Amino acid sequence: AQSVTQPDIHITVSEGASLELRCNYSYGATPYLFWYVQSPGQGLQLLLKYFSGDTLVQGIKGFEAEFKRSQSSFNLRKPSVHWSDAAEYFCAVDGSSNTGKLIFGQGTTLQVKP
Amino acid sequence: DGGITQSPKYLFRKEGQNVTLSCEQNLNHDAMYWYRQDPGQGLRLIYYSQIVNDFQKGDIAEGYSVSREKKESFPLTVTSAQKNPTAFYLCASSPRDGSDLYGYTFGSGTRLTVV
Repeated sequence: AQSVTQPDIHITVSEGASLELRCNYSYGATPYLFWYVQSPGQGLQLLLKYFSGDTLVQGIKGFEAEFKRSQSSFNLRKPSVHWSDAAEYFCAVDGSSNTGKLIFGQGTTLQVKP
Repeated sequence: DGGITQSPKYLFRKEGQNVTLSCEQNLNHDAMYWYRQDPGQGLRLIYYSQIVNDFQKGDIAEGYSVSREKKESFPLTVTSAQKNPTAFYLCASSPRDGSDLYGYTFGSGTRLTVV
């Protein structure tokens, strides 16, 4: 069965520092991969998605992610974090192309220190 | 503007009661989904529907029911059979074709508390 693992439950970075959030997936073929962000008490917003092609994907708010098939990873990065980036981040995979169901990781909470 | 509306934002339920959470979208999306969110567990799929008058169980459907009588609406009923219903519930929709395939749009959620 498909699964998504986000190894870091909580990450704290200083404002202006770089950020990398890890995501590992389990799926036999090339999956469709997503990163979402959630502010407290709100729904989720799509940051970026990977379907095929260039393995480095650019998203909104200055985020990017790199698909590495050999490592089954899809890590999210940002060169310089802003205080407004503090939120919970979810990686998701859609391994069942006929249904569109997304399987989400447990989430990583990002705290930004001033 | 198009989007998904979930109501109410906060809901309190007495034990033994059924409650219904509303989800309405005006995005003309075919597929709709209900997820449950608990701290440290991510989002878990309850039910989903890809077309009107059809829906499928997700991973944690026990104690929940849904209907899809209209394309725009996908209400979720939390029944008394759901033993631990206190959670944050998120509704989402997506197109099933086109350039935005798999682009989920989420509502802002309903927080259900059993009192």
